Amino acid sequence: GENVEQHPSTLSVQEGDSAVIKCTYSDSASNYFPWYKQELGKGPQLIIDIRSNVGEKKDQRIAVTLNKTAKHFSLHITETQPEDSAVYFCAASTGGSWGKLQFGAGTQVVVTP
Amino acid sequence: EAQVTQNPRYLITVTGKKLTVTCSQNMNHEYMSWYRQDPGLGLRQIYYSMNVEVTDKGDVPEGYKVSRKEKRNFPLILESPSPNQTSLYFCASSLGLGEGEQYFGPGTRLTVT
Repeated sequence: GENVEQHPSTLSVQEGDSAVIKCTYSDSASNYFPWYKQELGKGPQLIIDIRSNVGEKKDQRIAVTLNKTAKHFSLHITETQPEDSAVYFCAASTGGSWGKLQFGAGTQVVVTP
Repeated sequence: EAQVTQNPRYLITVTGKKLTVTCSQNMNHEYMSWYRQDPGLGLRQIYYSMNVEVTDKGDVPEGYKVSRKEKRNFPLILESPSPNQTSLYFCASSLGLGEGEQYFGPGTRLTVT
């Protein structure tokens, strides 16, 4: 089955700097890769996603890149702000069973003013 | 307001006492899913449903049952809860996996003693 690994587990950045979170996946048939942000006491919220036919996608300060050959994808947050502090999860759909979604273990991001 | 609701939000129960966690969405979504979240493990998918009367196992289905008799509801049933099912549970819905945003409910914190 699919296995998603996420690094780092914690990330501290100064306000205004960039943050990068990396994930690797094992199933070469995976074709959908969402990223979620979870604030304390709340459910995860989708912030950006990418499909396997696209190499990069941007939405304002957030971008995701996908390298299918290496089977890894990354989240990039530029010009970080204190409100970016949260836990971020990557996920990958298991290509053989459309509907299954496997998550990474999460990255705690702390943005210090 | 578009939302996913879960009930109860908090539950403390004893081993072996059957319980049901309800999940309802008002967005006419086809896809619904249940996850459990444990520290250091991220979110793990329990069951998902692509449509009414169509359900399938996620990564950790043991000890759980679901049903999808109508589009808006997707209850999670623990026939005989055990302490290892103590966790934070999230229900989610979307048009389809990878189709539009997946909305998460507020979570249900379950403790089995």
